[in-house]
Amino acid sequence: QKEVEQDPGPLSVPEGAIVSLNCTYSNSAFQYFMWYRQYSRKGPELLMYTYSSGNKEDGRFTAQVDKSSKYISLFIRDSQPSDSATYLCAMGNKFYFGSGTKLNVKP
Amino acid sequence: DTEVTQTPKHLVMGMTNKKSLKCEQHMGHRAMYWYKQKAKKPPELMFVYSYEKLSINESVPSRFSPECPNSSLLNLHLHALQPEDSALYLCASSQEKSGALGNQPQHFGDGTRLSIL
Repeated sequence: QKEVEQDPGPLSVPEGAIVSLNCTYSNSAFQYFMWYRQYSRKGPELLMYTYSSGNKEDGRFTAQVDKSSKYISLFIRDSQPSDSATYLCAMGNKFYFGSGTKLNVKP
Repeated sequence: DTEVTQTPKHLVMGMTNKKSLKCEQHMGHRAMYWYKQKAKKPPELMFVYSYEKLSINESVPSRFSPECPNSSLLNLHLHALQPEDSALYLCASSQEKSGALGNQPQHFGDGTRLSIL
C-alpha cells in the first residue's frame, strides 16, 4: 500500500462547478498537509497549508483534514478554466507527494 | 513569478559532461531542497539542507553532488549522468521552526528541465 493515495484523474468539470480533490494516507506520523497546483512546465505552487483537523478557507479554496480517517480534501468553488492544472497533495513532515490529479475545467 | 529562482531553465548535456544547476531564494528560508520530477509523476525528494548543512540524502547516486554555499544559494553538480536522469529538477525552500524539518510549507522554483543525450 502506498503511503499516499490520490486519484490521478483526469477530472473534467464545467466552468462554475465545485471541484473535490482527495487524498488518503496510511501513516499517522503525517502531521502537516499541503495542496499544490502545478501548471504544465512550471513548478508546484502552494495553495493551502494546514496541520489540524477541520477546515481552512482561502478565497475559492477550502482544505479539509480528517486525521481520524487519514483523509484530506481540497474543494474549489466556482471553478474557472484557469484552474486547469495538476493538483498535488503533500505530507509535510515526510516530504511525500500524492501522484497528482489532473483537472480540466471546460468553458 | 516565483520567489525561488532556478537557472538554467533548460539544459542538454552529454553523459560525459559536467554541469551545475543553481537555485536562489531571498525569503530568509533556512531549509532548501532538491527534487526530481519525471513526466506525469510527483516530485521525489533528493536532498535537504538545513542551515547550510546536508540533513537528508535520499540515497541519491554520487553522480549528483549538492552544495549549499550560503543560506540563499543551492547548487546541484552533475557529472556522468545517464539518460534516465532526464527530468525536471526542482528546488524548494521553507522556513524551519522548532528545529523540525517539514513542518513548514515549501516554496518551489519552476525547475530546470534536464535532457541527457
